[in-house]
Amino acid sequence: AQRVTQPEKLLSVFKGAPVELKCNYSYSGSPELFWYVQYSRQRLQLLLRHISRESIKGFTADLNKGETSFHLKKPFAQEEDSAMYYCALTLNDYKLSFGAGTTVTVRA
Amino acid sequence: SAVISQKPSRDICQRGTSLTIQCQVDSQVTMMFWYRQQPGQSLTLIATANQGSEATYESGFVIDKFPISRPNLTFSTLTVSNMSPEDSSIYLCSARDRVGSGELFFGEGSRLTVL
Repeated sequence: AQRVTQPEKLLSVFKGAPVELKCNYSYSGSPELFWYVQYSRQRLQLLLRHISRESIKGFTADLNKGETSFHLKKPFAQEEDSAMYYCALTLNDYKLSFGAGTTVTVRA
Repeated sequence: SAVISQKPSRDICQRGTSLTIQCQVDSQVTMMFWYRQQPGQSLTLIATANQGSEATYESGFVIDKFPISRPNLTFSTLTVSNMSPEDSSIYLCSARDRVGSGELFFGEGSRLTVL
């Protein structure tokens, strides 16, 4: 069963414009959500997690349990933000289930 | 943090052969996992590598096809057996540095192409 949904496969924005990557989840327990990022020719790495409630590289994500969403936002996109972004959900037994991913391209 | 090294980083294999991917973590980690990332698709969990016991496989994956070893807390191997072109994929080793909300670290992946 699909637990994490990222509806946008591709997202293109201009530099300086806001960017929002959507993530919805379905899970009956207490969710633990993450955003992972993969820059070109680099390994997959953690961007942020909902429990830390921090801003990383200008990105924030708020867990909305009512809407079962964990959208990733940045008010002013930069060219170095171009990457593949994955939303992920931790299941009860510590495994991560990943969404399909969104490729972000920031144009100058 | 944990640094994960995988080898080979890439390989081209013949149909019907088997290949073993090695994963080394620079520190002792509680949990290790193997993921597959097929072309244009997301990451799919293959199995959890359990130290000193049989791996726990996800639905759709079986031990005969993907035997996994984890002899200690820092090393694991994944074998892709009797390969077919459908097994062409990136195989990722990952590790969590502590039980619970610990960050999941990834290796750089092993890109296999089966002819």
